[in-house]
Amino acid sequence: EAQVTQNPRYLITVTGKKLTVTCSQNMNHEYMSWYRQDPGLGLRQIYYSMNVEVTDKGDVPEGYKVSRKEKRNFPLILESPSPNQTSLYFCASSLSPAFSWSGGADYNEQFFGPGTRLTVL
Amino acid sequence: EDQVTQSPEALRLQEGESSSLNCSYTVSGLRGLFWYRQDPGKGPEFLFTLYSAGEEKEKERLKATLTKKESFLHITAPKPEDSATYLCAVQAFSSGSARQLTFGSGTQLTVLP
Repeated sequence: EAQVTQNPRYLITVTGKKLTVTCSQNMNHEYMSWYRQDPGLGLRQIYYSMNVEVTDKGDVPEGYKVSRKEKRNFPLILESPSPNQTSLYFCASSLSPAFSWSGGADYNEQFFGPGTRLTVL
Repeated sequence: EDQVTQSPEALRLQEGESSSLNCSYTVSGLRGLFWYRQDPGKGPEFLFTLYSAGEEKEKERLKATLTKKESFLHITAPKPEDSATYLCAVQAFSSGSARQLTFGSGTQLTVLP
């Protein structure tokens, strides 16, 4: 089954304790991305990766790190979590980083993972 | 700066009562407008992509339309299983090839039996 998986699904931690949220996709997608979702603010992009070893900042990258050593995995790292990082996090992937006018839904559709609810005390 | 505004924030319908959700957008140049459905505790699920004004797409009881300033998601004769939050997102030419999406805050739809 084609899917994006995230672990853990739920995490409660304390300020300053480093954590990693894993993301993996089995669709051989080039593009992967992390979002956070907060009430009233919608989904905001944290980081994205256009391919292995190619990553860049999104709209709200402060306090986060990512790496893309393998095509299927894109972990999100919080080196020193703070309470303002309490949020619902989603990983997403899509076939290609290039926007295609003729590629149909497969090229431009982003597949989302089930989400990770993080609470930082 | 790209902006997406969805209205209403919440909508309650009786089963069978058709209605429309609105997504107004401001972008420097639209590459694509996306509609997603999100169920509680789950990730967004792709519904439609619209590329140019005048385009329409349908899926079961849903029909999405696009103008130069807004998109509508029409729901015909909804059922309780259509209850979800519907998200609109845009990708602008200013995003480069990075596939960055700007999302609206969503419309929470509740369909009562």
